[in-house]
Amino acid sequence: GAGVSQSPSNKVTEKGKDVELRCDPISGHTALYWYRQSLGQGLEFLIYFQGNSAPDKSGLPSDRFSAERTGGSVSTLTIQRTQQEDSAVYLCASSLALTVEGNEKLFFGSGTQLSVL
Amino acid sequence: GESVGLHLPTLSVQEGDNSIINCAYSNSASDYFIWYKQESGKGPQFIIDIRSNMDKRQGQRVTVLLNKTVKHLSLQIAATQPGDSAVYFCAENMGGGNKLTFGTGTQLKVEL
Repeated sequence: GAGVSQSPSNKVTEKGKDVELRCDPISGHTALYWYRQSLGQGLEFLIYFQGNSAPDKSGLPSDRFSAERTGGSVSTLTIQRTQQEDSAVYLCASSLALTVEGNEKLFFGSGTQLSVL
Repeated sequence: GESVGLHLPTLSVQEGDNSIINCAYSNSASDYFIWYKQESGKGPQFIIDIRSNMDKRQGQRVTVLLNKTVKHLSLQIAATQPGDSAVYFCAENMGGGNKLTFGTGTQLKVEL
């Protein structure tokens, strides 16, 4: 596709359930990010994949959160035993290789609105 | 007790006026800066960027100013229009493959 695609666009789940959020980056983009945005707040960094390097997981808020990126393309963010405070918009972004100057611009998807009841 | 969430700073301007949105960045080693616009229900969209070897860059109706001495970035929007109403984020990158770090955002409201 032409842009970053995220699915589902909306997800309602019950407290304690696991959820998986999917991100399809722009073809050829080697860097992929996950951010979280709570209502009326800024972007909170979660995790970052850059090519074959080990991901930067420094933003994951707890061990209930994990992400993987298969084949250097599609990424899945998994939240286990969801809590109400996990309710937020989860944004995915991709870019060309960040090691090359001029590639730092991120392209964002529309996000997944997660609601934990 | 009741918890209160953080509220984004808000800038209200009249249609047709110029808007200036400010951002203080954190890392003196950052060499690349970028402004994003986020409309309600959408992901952030690129507006304009600037490298640390510049202090000003202009786009269509937008100008970004960089003051490295005080680690300050600003976005100027000329002749603000209702369609400019959105949340604006600045972001910085330290280079060498590092991730972008975003500021907290400013809500711009354009009044008719």
